[in-house]
Amino acid sequence: QVQLQESGPGLVKPSETLSLTCAVSGYSISSGYYWGWIRLAPGKGLEWIGSLYRSGTTYYNPSLKSRVTISVDTSKNQFSLKLTSVTAADTAVYYCARVTCSSGSCYSEHWGQGTLVTVSS
Amino acid sequence: QSVLTQPPSVSGAPGQRVTISCTGSSSNIGAGYDVHWYQQLPGTAPKLLIYVNSNRPSGVPDRFSGSKSGTSASLAITGLQAEDEADYYCQSYDSSLSAWVFGGGTKLTVL
Repeated sequence: QVQLQESGPGLVKPSETLSLTCAVSGYSISSGYYWGWIRLAPGKGLEWIGSLYRSGTTYYNPSLKSRVTISVDTSKNQFSLKLTSVTAADTAVYYCARVTCSSGSCYSEHWGQGTLVTVSS
Repeated sequence: QSVLTQPPSVSGAPGQRVTISCTGSSSNIGAGYDVHWYQQLPGTAPKLLIYVNSNRPSGVPDRFSGSKSGTSASLAITGLQAEDEADYYCQSYDSSLSAWVFGGGTKLTVL
């Protein structure tokens, strides 16, 4: 059974970089699937941040693309999110997920428990 | 403002049937992109409820069903139970934005 676990600082100062890691167990990232980050800000709906394929190909939400980098470390079976120049609007629960894509249709079948990141000085 | 529009809240009594709508446009649902639904119980991560418009993952009760028509999709829940009280989100792809998009979420209250 695949499991995902987010980790990283719970508090980030404005203008700094948010860095999170998602450790995957029960499945090898290099074997397939897409791997993504999604967030849920207070009082708002879910927002797709970006996704990565095992080859390293990445897809980012255009609204965040200039600030986002998603990378993979297959040796540690984990992938990471970096979001630069954060503001209070980036305060959210961040989830990592395994994404199934078939015929252009993608959905997240396995999710991490989520980690709250607060942007504040 | 979410690209996919959902009612902020719906409610129903135990045993009743409720539906949650997800309205999009010609660049997402209307363009033929599939719709997926997630259930988020309080304090937990979202859970895939319906994928590719009307398919249920293993373990999801058949009380939950999904449909899609034109620029909209719907999630129906029959035989409402107290444990169904949660937030529900629809998701699709938007070609104008080149992004996977979610609805704003609907809070289901079981009366």
